[in-house]
Amino acid sequence: AQSVTQLDSHVSVSEGTPVLLRCNYSSSYSPSLFWYVQHPNKGLQLLLKYTSAATLVKGINGFEAEFKKSETSFHLTKPSAHMSDAAEYFCVVTPWGSQGNLIFGKGTKLSVKP
Amino acid sequence: DTGVSQDPRHKITKRGQNVTFRCDPISEHNRLYWYRQTLGQGPEFLTYFQNEAQLEKSRLLSDRFSAERPKGSFSTLEIQRTEQGDSAMYLCASSSFSSSGGEQFFGPGTRLTVL
Repeated sequence: AQSVTQLDSHVSVSEGTPVLLRCNYSSSYSPSLFWYVQHPNKGLQLLLKYTSAATLVKGINGFEAEFKKSETSFHLTKPSAHMSDAAEYFCVVTPWGSQGNLIFGKGTKLSVKP
Repeated sequence: DTGVSQDPRHKITKRGQNVTFRCDPISEHNRLYWYRQTLGQGPEFLTYFQNEAQLEKSRLLSDRFSAERPKGSFSTLEIQRTEQGDSAMYLCASSSFSSSGGEQFFGPGTRLTVL
């Protein structure tokens, strides 16, 4: 069965410092992996996706993630945090060929201190 | 705005009442999904439509829950005899058959509170 584990429920950084949100996945097949962001009172927004092309994936707002098969990880990074990055972030997996059933992690709440 | 819309945004009901939520997907999307999100958790898949056909249902979808997409456009999710445990955010998402990698676009959600 496919699943994702977000290793931190809450991450706090200072504005201008790097962001690292960790995600490990479990999948029997080559998965599609996503990071979604959820700002308060707003819908989930796709940050980036991995679909077996380049292992380093660039997304919106300066975020990127690296797919590491040997470590079954898909960590999300950003070189310099901005106050507007404060939100809930979800790592998501869907098995190759699946037409539905996104499997979400429990989320990591990112706080950004001025 | 041509994104996914949901109505109502908030619903407060008493235990035992029936409620119905509506989702309007992005117009050219033929796939529609319902998820439920409880406090402090990620969304959990409930059910999925391709056009008007309901192709997959989670075991979370008890017999008190029913979803329809009669003309392959908007969808409704009905909960009968609501229970306090049904209190959650109900999210709708849509995607197109040609969408690479299965990207789904989410609506703002309907927050249900059962008293």
